[in-house]
Parts: sequence; C-alpha cells; structure tokens
Amino acid sequence: KAGVTQTPRYLIKTRGQQVTLSCSPISGHRSVSWYQQTPGQGLQFLFEYFSETQRNKGNFPGRFSGRQFSNSRSEMNVSTLELGDSALYLCASSLEGSGRAPGELFFGEGSRLTVL
Amino acid sequence: SQQGEEDPQALSIQEGENATMNCSYKTSINNLQWYRQNSGRGLVHLILIRSNEREKHSGRLRVTLDTSKKSSSLLITASRAADTASYFCAASGSARQLTFGSGTQLTVLP
Repeated sequence: KAGVTQTPRYLIKTRGQQVTLSCSPISGHRSVSWYQQTPGQGLQFLFEYFSETQRNKGNFPGRFSGRQFSNSRSEMNVSTLELGDSALYLCASSLEGSGRAPGELFFGEGSRLTVL
Repeated sequence: SQQGEEDPQALSIQEGENATMNCSYKTSINNLQWYRQNSGRGLVHLILIRSNEREKHSGRLRVTLDTSKKSSSLLITASRAADTASYFCAASGSARQLTFGSGTQLTVLP
C-alpha cells in the first residue's frame, strides 16, 4: 500500500504570494490532518478533514485554509505569505471514523516552504 | 501551545545503552502516542497507550502512563545508531486532535 504523498516537497515563495500544498492519503483513509512544524513553535495542528468536511481547526489565522475532495485527497492553501510561514508542512491520514479519539497517524514526508 | 512537554530536550548515549524520555501533558487524555522523526522527514508512529493502560511494550520500546501525574515515559532498550532521531509524545484529548510535545533529540553514538 502506498504511503501518504505530499507535493511539492520543496518550494520557495516570496512575501505576499500564495501557495497550495497537496496531500494524497493512504487508500481507504478518510481523515486527513495538517500540521505546521517550525523550530520555534514545534508541531502545531492546523486542521483536520473527514469526508470533505473540516472537523477541527487549530489556532491559525484565516490565511490558512484547506479542503478535502471526494477521493479524500486534501489541499491546504496559505495566502498573503509572511516570512514566519516558512516551515515544514506535514499531512497525516488515519482510519479514524467520527466520534472516536485520534488513533495512529500516518505522516507524509512534508512540504518544506521557504518564504523570502 | 504545546499540550506535552518533553524531558530532556536532548539526550546523547552510547550504542547498547537504554534511553528514557519523559513527557508531561496538561489536560485529561483519551490516549497518548509516541512518534519518531528523522531529520527533516515525516513522523513515524511508534506506540499508542490508552488512558486506562499503565504500560505497553513493542519490541525494544516500553511506554508507561501515569494519568494521576499526567506523565508518560518512553524507554528504548539496547539502543542502536539507527535510533538517532527526534521523539515526540502526542496527547489525544477532548478536542479530537493530537497535540504534540516539543520533542527529545536522541543521539546514539556508535
């Protein structure tokens, strides 16, 4: 079974631009979560999608948005990029259904965003 | 903010020694998980312990959970150079999300 695939792996943007990151979960996984990892703040939860619905959202400004498609693939978008958005963005998928505590997450290799 | 705080932040040991990492969390949990991350890569799930469990083993890994102290520990026995990585605890609470700790950087010297 293929793992979680994130594209692109690396990208460089300038302040004010926007970026879209893509995540393909493991086949059969319907939950997709996104995390931002920086040296200063560590791993921070962005949002989780399940069956095309945002089920949970972290404490990030509205510039950070996401969506999930009917095939469970997910995208996240960051608009009006700031220097502080430079980070490793990690996507994770899981089998968990509704109403259950999160179980094991399967992570992709991440998309490393550099904002200049 | 981080749900979990890990101790120590960095740990350096010789191959063959045991490594112990500790994690404290703030609120009640459904389960607590441990993940490993090699430099710049994605996280890999190691083990999950539920709130009604006190100890769990998986290969060379042993995890304990003390809900009264809101703490967990991860023991890696007979460490190998390949165990060099960052280790994170992640708490699953009422918010239906995993909140990660700050991580322990483990270096195993050959």
